[in-house]
Amino acid sequence: KAGVTQTPRYLIKTRGQQVTLSCSPISGHRSVSWYQQTPGQGLQFLFEYFSETQRNKGNFPGRFSGRQFSNSRSEMNVSTLELGDSALYLCASSKGYNEQFFGPGTRLTVL
Amino acid sequence: GQNIDQPTEMTATEGAIVQINCTYQTSGFNGLFWYQQHAGEAPTFLSYNVLDGLEEKGRFSSFLSRSKGYSYLLLKELQMKDSASYLCAVRANAGNNRKLIWGLGTSLAVNP
Repeated sequence: KAGVTQTPRYLIKTRGQQVTLSCSPISGHRSVSWYQQTPGQGLQFLFEYFSETQRNKGNFPGRFSGRQFSNSRSEMNVSTLELGDSALYLCASSKGYNEQFFGPGTRLTVL
Repeated sequence: GQNIDQPTEMTATEGAIVQINCTYQTSGFNGLFWYQQHAGEAPTFLSYNVLDGLEEKGRFSSFLSRSKGYSYLLLKELQMKDSASYLCAVRANAGNNRKLIWGLGTSLAVNP
């Protein structure tokens, strides 16, 4: 069974631009969560989607948004990028509230 | 508030046993997870505890005491490849849903 895939793997943007990241969950998994990870900050929860509905949300500004499609694939968007948005963005899928399986992540660098 | 505490760093010797502790204070409890994350890689699932007691899986075991808000991950016969960050996460209540609360992770260095 294929794992969680994320595209792109690496991205370089400049301040003020916007970015869209994509995540394809494991087949049969309807829950997709997004995390931001920076050195020393651990995993910071962004949001969780289940069956196209946002089920939980972290404490990030409105510049961070997401959505989930009917095939469970999910995208997250960051608008008006700031230097502090440079991070590894991880997507994880799960069946309901069971263990999460992580994708390889998208490493975003904002210059 | 919701909080998970783990030691920031630990060191151990190859072949030894190490115990990584995790204490939590959350709104409700619906299970505790341990993940391993090697540098530059994504976290991978290690164990899940929802009832009190010890869960053993090969060289790794995880223990839970819900009354004490406490868990530990026990790694036996340490190998160099066990050098990684170990993350504790608790599934807590969040309104009508359940939310994963993550610790900052414990960075384990295994020395020869």
